[in-house]
Amino acid sequence: DSGVTQTPKHLITATGQRVTLRCSPRSGDLSVYWYQQSLDQGLQFLIQYYNGEERAKGNILERFSAQQFPDLHSELNLSSLELGDSALYFCASSAGTEETQYFGPGTRLLVL
Amino acid sequence: DAKTTQPNSMESNEEEPVHLPCNHSTISGTDYIHWYRQLPSQGPEYVIHGLTSNVNNRMASLAIAEDRKSSTLILHRATLRDAAVYYCILRENNAGNNRKLIWGLGTSLAVNP
Repeated sequence: DSGVTQTPKHLITATGQRVTLRCSPRSGDLSVYWYQQSLDQGLQFLIQYYNGEERAKGNILERFSAQQFPDLHSELNLSSLELGDSALYFCASSAGTEETQYFGPGTRLLVL
Repeated sequence: DAKTTQPNSMESNEEEPVHLPCNHSTISGTDYIHWYRQLPSQGPEYVIHGLTSNVNNRMASLAIAEDRKSSTLILHRATLRDAAVYYCILRENNAGNNRKLIWGLGTSLAVNP
């Protein structure tokens, strides 16, 4: 158990819909990262937040957005969903100055 | 962005050592080399990291070439539980807390009983 929690574990929705994925980092960690993992593309970094502020952006689509709240939990919002958005979405956290990222169990999103 | 190259898959026998190679010929002088692994149906987990010197921890050893253009993750005695996808990753050494990791497709390791 990494200490990072993600909800929900599974999500099934339809094209055009909007969903919110939630992540609670390890106690004391200030950084939260979001990743997308699909079968053909491996792990893709989406975005990083540190203590409530956006710190780095990767291959995140404009239809996707994220935020980190004062209690340090984070949400990833995915809108106007397409079939190709079906994937595993992982959240990871790290302390402010540590190297290691700790990953949650992921949310499996299926868009029908 | 500096990239890594790993074999798609490797196979090992239980109780034998495993050497997982990684090439990173465009690595910059201050990039750290990280290894993570992902067990089936789980999120990635940290294995080890290093900069220039070889590193050991309870999970594995990391051997880094003198020119830093390649590295090898060594599992000293493979167990069935070590069957996973192993990712060799470079961490950009940006100032502040920007800890972006650049992920490749990894090596899928099969361990035979």
